[in-house]
Amino acid sequence: KNEVEQSPQNLTAQEGEFITINCSYSVGISALHWLQQHPGGGIVSLFMLSSGKKKHGRLIATINIQEKHSSLHITASHPRDSAVYICAVRTGNQFYFGTGTSLTVIP
Amino acid sequence: NAGVTQTPKFQVLKTGQSMTLQCAQDMNHEYMSWYRQDPGMGLRLIHYSVGAGITDQGEVPNGYNVSRSTTEDFPLRLLSAAPSQTSVYFCASSYSVFSYNEQFFGPGTRLTVL
Repeated sequence: KNEVEQSPQNLTAQEGEFITINCSYSVGISALHWLQQHPGGGIVSLFMLSSGKKKHGRLIATINIQEKHSSLHITASHPRDSAVYICAVRTGNQFYFGTGTSLTVIP
Repeated sequence: NAGVTQTPKFQVLKTGQSMTLQCAQDMNHEYMSWYRQDPGMGLRLIHYSVGAGITDQGEVPNGYNVSRSTTEDFPLRLLSAAPSQTSVYFCASSYSVFSYNEQFFGPGTRLTVL
């Protein structure tokens, strides 16, 4: 069973394009996290959301608790945004992760 | 701050061998956790700890053991390695289990069991 589903699995975009990655989950959550995994393997946290919307630079994350859905948007994409983006939900003391969206931004 | 550190970075074991993956954080975080990452599966929680002396099982705990004797350290022990444990292992920590805090991840340990 997959508590967290992401789409698309793979995404290729031209530099400058607006990108959306979607995350749907099936469990009750206390928080949702968006993570970025670099080609070298390191994982960094981008956002933690429990409601509404957050913005950091060109990245915007939204969450709709009623619909159990979150989106990560990247405006004016750049080749350095190429990475795997992972959605994770926290329920109680446990985290469940999506399988990730592999993004490639072509110059 | 060094953040979350993991050692070793790479390890090759033979079936049946035991070993300990080390994880340490210097941020005084209460919550620490171990994940494995396998192709097409996403990260899966192995064990977690909400403070020194307190540990609990995650989604895939079989074949692994943990302890948390100090706030800083959270080692993961493989009792008798099996090829199915070939994976990349990540340790992570966050400030408190009771508040909404981001997780900080270690650089990972790539383990191969032959």
